Amino acid sequence: KNQVEQSPQSLIILEGKNCTLQCNYTVSPFSNLRWYKQDTGRGPVSLTIMTFSENTKSNGRYTATLDADTKQSSLHITASQLSDSASYICVVSAGQAGTALIFGKGTTLSVSS
Amino acid sequence: DAGVIQSPRHEVTEMGQEVTLRCKPISGHNSLFWYRQTMMRGLELLIYFNNNVPIDDSGMPEDRFSAKMPNASFSTLKIQPSEPRDSAVYFCASSLESLAGAINEQFFGPGTRLTVL
Repeated sequence: KNQVEQSPQSLIILEGKNCTLQCNYTVSPFSNLRWYKQDTGRGPVSLTIMTFSENTKSNGRYTATLDADTKQSSLHITASQLSDSASYICVVSAGQAGTALIFGKGTTLSVSS
Repeated sequence: DAGVIQSPRHEVTEMGQEVTLRCKPISGHNSLFWYRQTMMRGLELLIYFNNNVPIDDSGMPEDRFSAKMPNASFSTLKIQPSEPRDSAVYFCASSLESLAGAINEQFFGPGTRLTVL
């Protein structure tokens, strides 16, 4: 069964600190892996998209890694800001067409001052 | 571009009533997706259109749910009759699917929060 598991479920950190969110998946055939940021009351917004051959991809203070062998991904946030408070959703795209998206339930990050 | 537009943003209705959610995709995009998000289950794909044709509706919960895309700039998701367990946030997303194997980023609308009493 295609599944995406994220940990932790929620996280509280102080402003300026770094944090790492985890994503494990069992999806076949794998097409690509995406991280989305979802602010409260808004739709998800794409942060990074990685294919099988990519190990790391950055978007500003966000860096995603992918280990296709162990089927794990992480999202590292550097020097967190209050605006980073959101839900971060790991999404794995399955199938040759890559349109079937399997969503994790997300990690809720709270950054406090 | 205004992005994906959804209406209404909030809908409160009583059990048994018909509910229609609307979506305008980003101009030029040829694929449209309807998702449902709940605390328990997260985001789930309900149906996916490509060039206005339904391609995958395996996520549609039951016959009470129906979706249409009469043209490239408009889609509806209808629930009839609605039930309290349908309460959720419904998202519409669109993308431009081009070459086979290309990564097609999906852009999400702001969602419609549906409450069925």
